[in-house]
Amino acid sequence: AQRVTQPEKLLSVFKGAPVELKCNYSYSGSPELFWYVQYSRQRLQLLLRHISRESIKGFTADLNKGETSFHLKKPFAQEEDSAMYYCALFSGGYNKLIFGAGTRLAVHP
Amino acid sequence: SQTIHQWPATLVQPVGSPLSLECTVEGTSNPNLYWYRQAAGRGLQLLFYSVGIGQISSEVPQNLSASRPQDRQFILSSKKLLLSDSGFYLCAWKRPWGGFEQYFGPGTRLTVT
Repeated sequence: AQRVTQPEKLLSVFKGAPVELKCNYSYSGSPELFWYVQYSRQRLQLLLRHISRESIKGFTADLNKGETSFHLKKPFAQEEDSAMYYCALFSGGYNKLIFGAGTRLAVHP
Repeated sequence: SQTIHQWPATLVQPVGSPLSLECTVEGTSNPNLYWYRQAAGRGLQLLFYSVGIGQISSEVPQNLSASRPQDRQFILSSKKLLLSDSGFYLCAWKRPWGGFEQYFGPGTRLTVT
């Protein structure tokens, strides 16, 4: 079955600390994975996608097929990073995204 | 550029009343369209998606239905709302080819009383 698991509902860190938001997936083919972010009072938006290997707002995510993971990392958290983060898997056969339950990141001053 | 609209932004309805939420997309043709429900602690649940006019796929059996009367219009409906229908409803679109990401609307907060 296709599934995305984000084990942490809440991740609380202090400003300047490293951040790692965990995401594990279950998919039989070659996965297309994304991280979406929702800041307070804003719409859900794409943060980054694994195929472009980009760094957005200091965040990176590496696909580890052996561990079936796509963890989101940032070396030094900022208060403005506080938001809800969703990991998503594209299910090509069904033309849809499968989302994890989300992790709320709270960065404290 | 493409934009996606949803209305209303908020809605308070009594149990047993009908529902109609509308989503429209501008600046693109033949988009794939999606309805999600976002619940606290449960993430985004895909409710319906559509790859063309009149083509609706349902993901979860429920009290809701969807329709796509025009290429860039997607409607979420119910004949009789239940308390459990309360939530935050998001519409999204995706290019029909050449990309995987979805673009989300601002959402509708529905409270059933």
